[in-house]
Amino acid sequence: DAGITQSPRYKITETGRQVTLMCHQTWSHSYMFWYRQDLGHGLRLIYYSAAADITDKGEVPDGYVVSRSKTENFPLTLESATRSQTSVYFCASKEGLAGVNEQFFGPGTRLTVL
Amino acid sequence: AQKVTQAQTEISVVEKEDVTLDCVYETRDTTYYLFWYKQPPSGELVFLIRRNSFDEQNEISGRYSWNFQKSTSSFNFTITASQVVDSAVYFCALSEANSGYALNFGKGTSLLVTP
Repeated sequence: DAGITQSPRYKITETGRQVTLMCHQTWSHSYMFWYRQDLGHGLRLIYYSAAADITDKGEVPDGYVVSRSKTENFPLTLESATRSQTSVYFCASKEGLAGVNEQFFGPGTRLTVL
Repeated sequence: AQKVTQAQTEISVVEKEDVTLDCVYETRDTTYYLFWYKQPPSGELVFLIRRNSFDEQNEISGRYSWNFQKSTSSFNFTITASQVVDSAVYFCALSEANSGYALNFGKGTSLLVTP
């Protein structure tokens, strides 16, 4: 299917476990982003990537790791999950080198850390 | 510091009323982009509009209209003759070059339209 997908859609894990959230887009967009959405905070940027093998931190990167070995994939790993990482995670992508184009968002992953 | 401020946390209106959602932004860049996204109860994020900093022309799309004023750093969104289906959280966002054109979101305004 064309578009941007995230997996899993729902995940429950325990404190201290490693969790990887997957994001895949079929448009070959150069830019990809990870955001988390929490009540009272809106959406905040975790990491972004301008191209394969190029990543950079956003507003709230602590406790997260990303990689981008292929243009279409941008996995987000929580190395040792904490309860404060309970959130809804959105992946997004956009084409182009400038900000002119809109970002397209995946459906989100709801993560609960017990 | 919050770069995008949506001062209205929640708004409740009766169907057919007009409603304006406020958005104030802060940036030092001369080139930037402003967006509005809608998040209905189902949770997905839906793109509504994009404006660049050089285009202050207001835009109308059906019942939706946007008023961009650089002088007051505002990008307000008006829904005319609101409908129940307009009930959602609406986010205003700013995109700047120094963050890879990532979106800096406001905290959102939750709009409830009742019959």
